[in-house]
This record gives sequence, C-alpha cells and structure tokens, in this order.
Amino acid sequence: EAGVVQSPRYKIIEKKQPVAFWCNPISGHNTLYWYRQNLGQGPELLIRYENEEAVDDSQLPKDRFSAERLKGVDSTLKIQPAELGDSAVYLCASSFSGLGSPLHFGNGTRLTVT
Amino acid sequence: TQLLEQSPQFLSIQEGENLTVYCNSSSVFSSLQWYRQEPGEGPVLLVTVVTGGEVKKLKRLTFQFGDARKDSSLHITAAQPGDTGLYLCAVTQTGANNLFFGTGTRLTVIP
Repeated sequence: EAGVVQSPRYKIIEKKQPVAFWCNPISGHNTLYWYRQNLGQGPELLIRYENEEAVDDSQLPKDRFSAERLKGVDSTLKIQPAELGDSAVYLCASSFSGLGSPLHFGNGTRLTVT
Repeated sequence: TQLLEQSPQFLSIQEGENLTVYCNSSSVFSSLQWYRQEPGEGPVLLVTVVTGGEVKKLKRLTFQFGDARKDSSLHITAAQPGDTGLYLCAVTQTGANNLFFGTGTRLTVIP
C-alpha cells in the first residue's frame, strides 16, 4: 500500500513570494489533515478535510494561507505571500473517517523562507 | 498554555541504558497516542492507550496511561541507536479526530 505522498520535499523561496505544497493521501482515506511543524516542536494542525469539505480550519492563518481538496482526494496548501516566520515543515496526513482512526503522515515539505 | 507537556525536552544516553519520558496535562483524555518521528520523515504511530492505568508493551517499549487519564509515560529498556528520534504524545479533541501533539522529547542513543 502506498503511503501519503507529498511534494516537493524541499522548497526555498524569498519572502513575499507564493508557494504551494501538494499531498496525495492513502487511497480510501476520507479525512485529510495539514499540519505545520516548527523546528524542535510537535506538529500543529492547520486544517482538516472530510472528503472535499474543510471541517476545521480554525488554526489556518486565512490572510495568507489557503487550501483546497476539490475532488476529495489530493490536496494543495498555498501561502501567498510567504513570510520569514513561515519556515517550517508542512506535514500532510490522512485517515479513515471516525474517532480513533490512526493518522498516517507523509514525509513533509521543508519550507525555508529567506 | 501547552495542552501536553513532555519531559525531558532532550535526552542523550548510551546504548544499553534504560530511560523514561513523560507526557503530562491538566486535562482528562479518552485516549492518548505515542508517535516516533525520525529526521526527514513524518510521525509514525507506536501505540494508543485508552483505559486509565493501562500498560502496553511493544518489544522494549512500555507505555502506561495514568490512572486519571491525564498523563502517560514511555519506558525504553536497553536503548538501541535505532531508538533515536523525536517521541511525541498526542490526544484527540472531543468529538473530532484532530490530533493535538505534545512538545516532544528528542532522544539520542549513542552507540
């Protein structure tokens, strides 16, 4: 079974530039999550999708961040414009719907904003 | 205020030693999970504990959920270099499958 696939693995951009991350979840997983992980810390949830609906985006900085999951499968997370403080690892995870379903994480995209 | 506090933040030990890391909160949880994250990879689920006082073993790893379901510990016996990584505890928000992670313990096992 293929795991959660994320691309790119690394991205270096200058501040004020846009950037996008892509995630393909495990086949059959209805729930998709985007997390941000700062160096030396645990991941923090940005947004959770149930199929194509964003059911929890309370932690997403909506002035510069956006996400979509148009067909309820793969997803993109965009930042425009990027700031220095956005440097972090962006992790995508997926799971079956329902409480207690284990999350499966991708290997993340490491973003560096200079 | 951090929902889940993990200690120690960093731990460096020699191969063969034993260690315990802790995950503490003032809140009660219905379940708690432990993950291990290696450099350049995403977190991988190790175990889920559900019942207060529950003890689960995974080879040399022993996980315990506190009686009051507010805290948990992870004990590693005879640590190996392959145990090196970031250990994260996590809990779900009531009524949702969102995972909230602790601050993490970064373990280094020196050969």
